[in-house]
Amino acid sequence: AQTVTQSQPEMSVQEAETVTLSCTYDTSESDYYLFWYKQPPSRQMILVIRQEAYKQQNATENRFSVNFQKAAKSFSLKISDSQLGDAAMYFCAYRRYSGGGADGLTFGKGTHLIIQP
Amino acid sequence: EAGVAQSPRYKIIEKRQSVAFWCNPISGHATLYWYQQILGQGPKLLIQFQNNGVVDDSQLPKDRFSAERLKGVDSTLKIQPAKLEDSAVYLCASSLFYEQYFGPGTRLTVT
Repeated sequence: AQTVTQSQPEMSVQEAETVTLSCTYDTSESDYYLFWYKQPPSRQMILVIRQEAYKQQNATENRFSVNFQKAAKSFSLKISDSQLGDAAMYFCAYRRYSGGGADGLTFGKGTHLIIQP
Repeated sequence: EAGVAQSPRYKIIEKRQSVAFWCNPISGHATLYWYQQILGQGPKLLIQFQNNGVVDDSQLPKDRFSAERLKGVDSTLKIQPAKLEDSAVYLCASSLFYEQYFGPGTRLTVT
């Protein structure tokens, strides 16, 4: 079974600074997807960024980027120029590749990100 | 495009009572998921539907939980009878390809 581990229950960063959230995972699959989701107090899960395991290039979405280390099974999220609106729970998630289908996600326990003004 | 709709947003019941949650996915999304998110944890997949067929219900406590997706669109998740440990947020999500879109969730409190 796949597992996702987020070892930082809480992180704090000053506004406009950079913060990195850690995630490791365990799988025997070679093809899979990794995601970072943001969950504000409203509870709505919002996709932040996606990485396909077969791609060597790290994904980037504006201020959000990942450091994907497939051999180490590590998938960290870097948030640059942190903004107050970035405050939320962040979840790392894994999904195996299943052709045209879409399996359910396996989530980590989350990291609570606090932005200090 | 309208998002995933869920109702109710909040529900408080006593243990041993029954409760049902409703989910309306994004139009055209064939795959629908129900997740359980206990406070302080990440969501856990309970059941996955592809159209109106069950793809994965390996983590669904079938002695008390049931779910259906009639006509491959709306879905309901039922708990009967509820236990204290069922207190959680129940999230519904739908997908067309690789990205899952989540609804706002239903917060269930069992007293």
